Amino acid sequence: AQSVTQLGSHVSVSEGALVLLRCNYSSSVPPYLFWYVQYPNQGLQLLLKYTSAATLVKGINGFEAEFKKSETSFHLTKPSAHMSDAAEYFCAVRTGTASKLTFGTGTRLQVTL
Amino acid sequence: DTAVSQTPKYLVTQMGNDKSIKCEQNLGHDTMYWYKQDSKKFLKIMFSYNNKELIINETVPNRFSPKSPDKAHLNLHINSLELGDSAVYFCASSSAGQDNSPLHFGNGTRLTVT
Repeated sequence: AQSVTQLGSHVSVSEGALVLLRCNYSSSVPPYLFWYVQYPNQGLQLLLKYTSAATLVKGINGFEAEFKKSETSFHLTKPSAHMSDAAEYFCAVRTGTASKLTFGTGTRLQVTL
Repeated sequence: DTAVSQTPKYLVTQMGNDKSIKCEQNLGHDTMYWYKQDSKKFLKIMFSYNNKELIINETVPNRFSPKSPDKAHLNLHINSLELGDSAVYFCASSSAGQDNSPLHFGNGTRLTVT
């Protein structure tokens, strides 16, 4: 069975501050990991994905995530938050093409002035 | 240029009615999905089709019936709608054969049952 846990349903940062959204996974086989962003009243947009080619993955809008097998983590970071980053962020795991994509419960990012 | 499109965007209906949501993708993908997002933003897979064949069928009431006339379309029909069916339903597609293939999502259909 596969699962992801997102710590913190709500994270608030100041504009310009570091963004850190936490994701831990559970999988009996090597996982494929993804981060998605959902803006209000929109669908989910892929931010980045872990392909096993590199542990540090760079995505769109300045986000990146680091795969740490020893910690079973795939935390999402951005050095400097922007107001436009305010959205819901979802971590997701998949263990093969025949398996479903399982989402975490999401983290709402609030960016304040 | 819309990759995954769903219609309608909003659907308001009364309990007991039957309704359908349509989904089409122009990405050339061979796998399509339906996800349900509840009021707490939790996303749960309902169904998955690969080349018109059902491959994932989660514990969903049989009032929900997906239909895939071809690999570019996956529709969702819901019979005897209940209040608890109110949610946002997302269609998605991906390319099979690539283990790390991401899902591409439509913009969702907000279903409100009164």
